[in-house]
Amino acid sequence: QKEVEQDPGPLSVPEGAIVSLNCTYSNSAFQYFMWYRQYSRKGPELLMYTYSSGNKEDGRFTAQVDKSSKYISLFIRDSQPSDSATYLCAMSAKQAGTALIFGKGTTLSVSS
Amino acid sequence: GAVVSQHPSWVICKSGTSVKIECRSLDFQATTMFWYRQFPKQSLMLMATSNEGSKATYEQGVEKDKFLINHASLTLSTLTVTSAHPEDSSFYICSARDLQQPQHFGDGTRLSIL
Repeated sequence: QKEVEQDPGPLSVPEGAIVSLNCTYSNSAFQYFMWYRQYSRKGPELLMYTYSSGNKEDGRFTAQVDKSSKYISLFIRDSQPSDSATYLCAMSAKQAGTALIFGKGTTLSVSS
Repeated sequence: GAVVSQHPSWVICKSGTSVKIECRSLDFQATTMFWYRQFPKQSLMLMATSNEGSKATYEQGVEKDKFLINHASLTLSTLTVTSAHPEDSSFYICSARDLQQPQHFGDGTRLSIL
């Protein structure tokens, strides 16, 4: 079993839809959870960063962490064509910046 | 804030040459910098971690004599791919962080070896 599992998609939705992206993990020591957005031929851009369990909201984005289920989610409300990208989950057992384990990424396409 | 600049963005060179890639943190001091490699439709694979002023720590399977990493200052790290061959062609991405902060990534370097 891989440490972090993420469905690669692709996921296609119409503009304005609510998007749900998910990752599961096996290492119960993970405490820091991040979501990155990566456009084609670009580096990942940090979207959300959470510590331990709970929810965090930033504009149209909401990150949820359920440590009991080893499951994290990213919700995108009112999705826009500019949200079309690959979304990578990442997590770490130590400080947020060290030893990140990435999911494979989910490719999202939002059509207008 | 937290801008990481990577240069060049794309390089094509002949087999056997060495290529240097620079990674700079523009608006913060990076205590740690990381180098990743990414193949098409795959996730990022950590190659090495470097702390300013000390030797880089390489992940298992990464040849340290082939991928030379220098982190001479708190804002600059370089990756040199020595005697590059076609199998070294890939997308190389650096990231940097300050204490307690998540990693911020550069825009990557697309390396093509002919």
